[in-house]
Amino acid sequence: TQLLEQSPQFLSIQEGENLTVYCNSSSVFSSLQWYRQEPGEGPVLLVTVVTGGEVKKLKRLTFQFGDARKDSSLHITAAQPGDTGLYLCAAPTGGGNKLTFGTGTQLKVEL
Amino acid sequence: SAVISQKPSRDICQRGTSLTIQCQVDSQVTMMFWYRQQPGQSLTLIATANQGSEATYESGFVIDKFPISRPNLTFSTLTVSNMSPEDSSIYLCSARTSGPTGELFFGEGSRLTVL
Repeated sequence: TQLLEQSPQFLSIQEGENLTVYCNSSSVFSSLQWYRQEPGEGPVLLVTVVTGGEVKKLKRLTFQFGDARKDSSLHITAAQPGDTGLYLCAAPTGGGNKLTFGTGTQLKVEL
Repeated sequence: SAVISQKPSRDICQRGTSLTIQCQVDSQVTMMFWYRQQPGQSLTLIATANQGSEATYESGFVIDKFPISRPNLTFSTLTVSNMSPEDSSIYLCSARTSGPTGELFFGEGSRLTVL
């Protein structure tokens, strides 16, 4: 059983559609991060959420941390081909020194 | 921020050989990590590279198979020893800025194929 389960695992949509990616756990975290990875590159941080219920917006991306700090969601409005990539949630573990990644969501946005 | 350079970027290796991956950070960082990733899948932490001492390995990874060095605050190496086809993967070096919400920076990864 993975510590951080993401759903869906794969998502293929048309440009202009909206989508939501979920990151769920049975554990409580002090914070949670979302990364995006494009082919041939390392993951890049999109956002860090710290407070339960917190909502952060990054242009067309909206991130929410669950009230109990066990889950998070990423909503993309009017998806564009440039949003294509692997989306990973991650949370500190091992006393906060390590970062454990979720199972990942592969998003493809087509014209 | 931190810029991380890894080499080699890719390599094709023969079964039974060993390969060392180098990771250079452009600034001094406290924490460095090595991850493994199958293409399109999530990242699995191999170990934390500790400066001046033995690395801390995650469950399922051992020092004999993945020896790690970190002689200073900007450089680390990961060796994949006695390789088999199952070791074919992308190996990523990363460094984390300080604090519990510190950002993790990654190199571009080293894609290894073992024949």
